[in-house]
Amino acid sequence: EIVMTQSPATLSVSPGERATLSCRASQSISTNLAWYQQKPGQAPRLLIYGASTRATGIPARFSGSGSGTEFTLAISSLQSEDSAVYYCQQYNNWPPFTFGQGTKVEIK
Amino acid sequence: EVQLVESGGGLVQPGRSLRLSCAASGFTFENYAMHWVRQAPGRGLEWVSGISSNSNSRAYVDSVKARFTISRDNAKNSLYLQMNSLRPEDTALYYCAKGPYFHNSGYLDSWGQGTLVTVSS
Repeated sequence: EIVMTQSPATLSVSPGERATLSCRASQSISTNLAWYQQKPGQAPRLLIYGASTRATGIPARFSGSGSGTEFTLAISSLQSEDSAVYYCQQYNNWPPFTFGQGTKVEIK
Repeated sequence: EVQLVESGGGLVQPGRSLRLSCAASGFTFENYAMHWVRQAPGRGLEWVSGISSNSNSRAYVDSVKARFTISRDNAKNSLYLQMNSLRPEDTALYYCAKGPYFHNSGYLDSWGQGTLVTVSS
């Protein structure tokens, strides 16, 4: 089973600043990685797939990068509505698909 | 617009069974793989099971193998999860999610709002 490790656990960023979230896989997953956003009381929402492709309707301030074992989700110019928990998920080696433990983004 | 509506959750005693359902609309259900993902209270996401569009391929996380069975009825645009021998650690919000392809690999591009399963005596 591939283990996904996200860092940091919590990120506190001022509005308008850039947030950078990391996700590491325990072995290479090529670019078979997705990012999801989950706001309190809501279902997760797909942000990024294929490590860097934005899902339909996702604002351009969200960007993904990386391949192999190291991945990054960047949120440029953070807005108040971006406060959420962000999860990465690998779909290269399955079953099972595996998620990271999440990074909580807080607005300062 | 894709809509996924889960139902069937509730309070159940350990060792008992429960069947979850997911009603799909807004897309051609028979063309896409479907999945169940759960989230224990205050915890992260855990993929539980996935099924290909034609039901030929089914996969499970080890912790539910031999206890849970995923199935679908393409004529009814519905996904199911039969959960037997339930344990307290199965307590979670169970989400139905859609895959992007006919086969059950890939990411999850649409999610329902979830149905809560509580296993307790």
